[in-house]
Amino acid sequence: DTGVSQDPRHKITKRGQNVTFRCDPISEHNRLYWYRQTLGQGPEFLTYFQNEAQLEKSRLLSDRFSAERPKGSFSTLEIQRTEQGDSAMYLCASSLSSEGLFQETQYFGPGTRLLVL
Amino acid sequence: AQSVSQHNHHVILSEAASLELGCNYSYGGTVNLFWYVQYPGQHLQLLLKYFSGDPLVKGIKGFEAEFIKSKFSFNLRKPSVQWSDTAEYFCAVNLGGNTPLVFGKGTRLSVIA
Repeated sequence: DTGVSQDPRHKITKRGQNVTFRCDPISEHNRLYWYRQTLGQGPEFLTYFQNEAQLEKSRLLSDRFSAERPKGSFSTLEIQRTEQGDSAMYLCASSLSSEGLFQETQYFGPGTRLLVL
Repeated sequence: AQSVSQHNHHVILSEAASLELGCNYSYGGTVNLFWYVQYPGQHLQLLLKYFSGDPLVKGIKGFEAEFIKSKFSFNLRKPSVQWSDTAEYFCAVNLGGNTPLVFGKGTRLSVIA
């Protein structure tokens, strides 16, 4: 399977613990996005990378959230000091963006479902 | 800020009925438009997309959507639904380039035999 993969698929943690999620994009894709989806809502954008550069992070929900993509391949999303309100599905998407071409299609992974007790 | 409205929260249809799901967006400039589908237990999959050109776009599984710029709409249609179309459908918009997708809240479609 050459699609976007995410690990773990499910995570249960206690309030106050730190969690880290991993996303592996489609291999030739240079852009990687993180979204959050809560029940009854569409995905909500969090942050994205072009190669290893994080181009937008103002939508991260708080300073407890951080993301990295150190070598321009896989990415990690970390949530520190988790709260019950962080319970959601965290989705990763990747795309291939070409200079000057404002048409890109994002392909989504299966998501990591987080439950904070 | 951009927003996307999907008018129907839950639609129930019998097999072979025709489907139309509404989607309206708020941005007045050039947009890229998408419909994604999420089947039960599966991840979001691209159904169809519009970038430019013919405003009537065809996607997978017999779905199509029409972009009407004057109405800021991108409605999804299928002439005859099947039980296997039971899923949640999301409309999404972006400006292209460096902007992320903005999603609607989704429409849950239940197709009954």
